[in-house]
Amino acid sequence: GESVGLHLPTLSVQEGDNSIINCAYSNSASDYFIWYKQESGKGPQFIIDIRSNMDKRQGQRVTVLLNKTVKHLSLQIAATQPGDSAVYFCAEKRGNTGFQKLVFGTGTRLLVSP
Amino acid sequence: KAGVTQTPRYLIKTRGQQVTLSCSPISGHRSVSWYQQTPGQGLQFLFEYFSETQRNKGNFPGRFSGRQFSNSRSEMNVSTLELGDSALYLCASSLGTGFYEQYFGPGTRLTVT
Repeated sequence: GESVGLHLPTLSVQEGDNSIINCAYSNSASDYFIWYKQESGKGPQFIIDIRSNMDKRQGQRVTVLLNKTVKHLSLQIAATQPGDSAVYFCAEKRGNTGFQKLVFGTGTRLLVSP
Repeated sequence: KAGVTQTPRYLIKTRGQQVTLSCSPISGHRSVSWYQQTPGQGLQFLFEYFSETQRNKGNFPGRFSGRQFSNSRSEMNVSTLELGDSALYLCASSLGTGFYEQYFGPGTRLTVT
């Protein structure tokens, strides 16, 4: 499969810290990227997205950075809270019209300690 | 506004049987995509429907099929179930095609024995 989730990397932070979750993508033609948060027993929740013509996009407490040169995407969460504990997935849109698909990363587990 | 709903939430089937899962999108959303999530393979795209037409398709065998109705509700069917089909099946809806701002449902947990 294109998304392998055998061993989830884990990021442990203290409440109030800033968190940075990284994602590498492989297809230089991908033009749209999304970050999702998935809590246990729930479906993924849309956090923020970015198109390839942008380098940075900010939301409420979250920032996504896109570095097309090294095919790297990051999600920054400011003032991390215990409620931010979840698995975070990046996704990229690949392919041409009619054959497009979203390809998800492995996921990173974020653990926030009070 | 109600979120994406999926029925049933849990399902147990026997190898060789078939199964149909249902997804009701957010009101006004016309695109529905289906995904399979397993511990080994992670989240994988199955297909996307928009205005009752399949617009995009992932790399799954023909045993996996879907359809969309005029009210945008969608169903996914898996025939001749295999043990490896055990997974969480998620659907996501969005206003238009192209995977922009998709909102996921809670999923249907399918167990094949």
